Amino acid sequence: DAGITQSPRHKVTETGTPVTLRCHQTENHRYMYWYRQDPGHGLRLIHYSYGVKDTDKGEVSDGYSVSRSKTEDFLLTLESATSSQTSVYFCAISVENSYEQYFGPGTRLTVT
Amino acid sequence: AQSVTQPDIHITVSEGASLELRCNYSYGATPYLFWYVQSPGQGLQLLLKYFSGDTLVQGIKGFEAEFKRSQSSFNLRKPSVHWSDAAEYFCAVGYTGTASKLTFGTGTRLQVTL
Repeated sequence: DAGITQSPRHKVTETGTPVTLRCHQTENHRYMYWYRQDPGHGLRLIHYSYGVKDTDKGEVSDGYSVSRSKTEDFLLTLESATSSQTSVYFCAISVENSYEQYFGPGTRLTVT
Repeated sequence: AQSVTQPDIHITVSEGASLELRCNYSYGATPYLFWYVQSPGQGLQLLLKYFSGDTLVQGIKGFEAEFKRSQSSFNLRKPSVHWSDAAEYFCAVGYTGTASKLTFGTGTRLQVTL
């Protein structure tokens, strides 16, 4: 158990509204990641962080932003949610120098 | 760009039968390779990993995988499948100097018949 929690676990929102998902870890890992999971696509990296205030884009970053003001928290924001962003979102951490990633329980987001 | 291919979207096996799930990666450097399992409605759990050394690696729940550089493959195997192994399985690859990022395959869903 890597001590990763995600909130909320489920959310339904309307098109055009802003949404923020939170990932919290208890073990001070440097690297954190946000993925989305969609049928037929596996997991795709949205954004990642390699330290406080250090973030970078993944392969599907359009429409998403992130922030990391504390080591333990990594926030994913959908500035204006669209139906194409309906998905399950997973946060992960990486154990330094191991490349192993451990995942949170996920957030199911539905945009109507 | 690195990529991972899992050619089988869905596999059905009988309980007690052997299992092999295929994974191919494409890139020139030495990869770090992983298999994850996801039960319905759950997060992903690390089954096993390959970094270097012995090309046959053992994981949890009786799974093993073999790294074959010549075939760019990292297939997952289990000698005797249990009904509780029904889940989705993901192969992933990472490389040195990439901020520990992983690229995932699209997954193989395993169904186990009794």
